[in-house]
Amino acid sequence: GNSVTQMEGPVTLSEEAFLTINCTYTATGYPSLFWYVQYPGEGLQLLLKATKADDKGSNKGFEATYRKETTSFHLEKGSVQVSDSAVYFCALRFMDTGRRALTFGSGTRLQVQP
Amino acid sequence: NAGVTQTPKFQVLKTGQSMTLQCAQDMNHEYMSWYRQDPGMGLRLIHYSVGAGITDQGEVPNGYNVSRSTTEDFPLRLLSAAPSQTSVYFCASSDDRRSYNEQFFGPGTRLTVL
Repeated sequence: GNSVTQMEGPVTLSEEAFLTINCTYTATGYPSLFWYVQYPGEGLQLLLKATKADDKGSNKGFEATYRKETTSFHLEKGSVQVSDSAVYFCALRFMDTGRRALTFGSGTRLQVQP
Repeated sequence: NAGVTQTPKFQVLKTGQSMTLQCAQDMNHEYMSWYRQDPGMGLRLIHYSVGAGITDQGEVPNGYNVSRSTTEDFPLRLLSAAPSQTSVYFCASSDDRRSYNEQFFGPGTRLTVL
């Protein structure tokens, strides 16, 4: 079956540090890939996405590139802020199946200290 | 648009009680789904629906029922609550008639079963 593996957290960084959160996936075929963010006490919000190999998704200074050869979709940001503290979920989705549900990784908690 | 709404935000049940978690969306989305979020496990699919009158099981359907009588509403019923159903529940919807396939999430319902 399909699966998503993320690095375990929490990840603790100082403000303005560089962020990488690793994400790899296992799937038959070529899914769409997503990063969702969950701020404390809230639901999930889409952060960025990529729908085919070599696509780069970007939003709010975050970037991730769909790497088919390494089945990865690592999240990066050059300079984190305290307001980026949240839980980040990597996920995949196929549109050509009946289920069409997202398959999530376990989430990575990011804590940014001033 | 209100987006995806869920009620209640919090609920405490005793073992064996039943209840319904409400979910509604005003975006005319055909696809709706329910996930549960447990620590360290990401989100797991409970049930989903590809349109009014059509529902199907996800990864963890036992103990839950759903129905989809209208496009807007997708309630989740707990038939006889158990402590293992203590979790945060998220409803999501998407417009899969377009190639842009983001799922929109509600704010969640935090359920505790004693």
